Amino acid sequence: DSGVTQTPKHLITATGQRVTLRCSPRSGDLSVYWYQQSLDQGLQFLIQYYNGEERAKGNILERFSAQQFPDLHSELNLSSLELGDSALYFCASSPQDRIYNEQFFGPGTRLTVL
Amino acid sequence: SQQGEEDPQALSIQEGENATMNCSYKTSINNLQWYRQNSGRGLVHLILIRSNEREKHSGRLRVTLDTSKKSSSLLITASRAADTASYFCASSLYNNYGQNFVFGPGTRLSVLP
Repeated sequence: DSGVTQTPKHLITATGQRVTLRCSPRSGDLSVYWYQQSLDQGLQFLIQYYNGEERAKGNILERFSAQQFPDLHSELNLSSLELGDSALYFCASSPQDRIYNEQFFGPGTRLTVL
Repeated sequence: SQQGEEDPQALSIQEGENATMNCSYKTSINNLQWYRQNSGRGLVHLILIRSNEREKHSGRLRVTLDTSKKSSSLLITASRAADTASYFCASSLYNNYGQNFVFGPGTRLSVLP
């Protein structure tokens, strides 16, 4: 158990809908990272927040957004969902802001868009 | 794409044998990390090697890094059935323009009892 929690574990929704994924980092970690894992795209870094501020951006679509709250939990919002958004979404956390430090991954949220 | 490549894509060996996985990347890096993922679950950090290091050991794991060839290898010695998983390398770059973290496509390792 990494200490990172993600909810929900599974999410099934329809095209065009909007969903919110939630992540709680390990106690004391200030950075939260979001990743998407799909069969065709592999594991892709989406975005990083550090102590409430956006710190790095990867291959995140404009339909997706994230934020980190004062209690350090983070939410990833996915809107206007398409079939291709079906994937595993992971969040990870680390103590520092540098992306090259070891990250601790949550169990993931499996999103299915029908 | 900044994504690197790993080979082989899949590897099947007998318990007790050694497993070697290779990773290539495309840009200069700060460090390279290896992660393990059991089917459909979260990734677990295995080892980190900095750009100024050439070799690192951790238990049955040995990682090498050749920055001139932009490649790394992960060796698992005396493999066990419990080592069956997918293994990913991840290269990280941090400079004045920002930072990025790129995973390779992974090697699926099967260790047969």
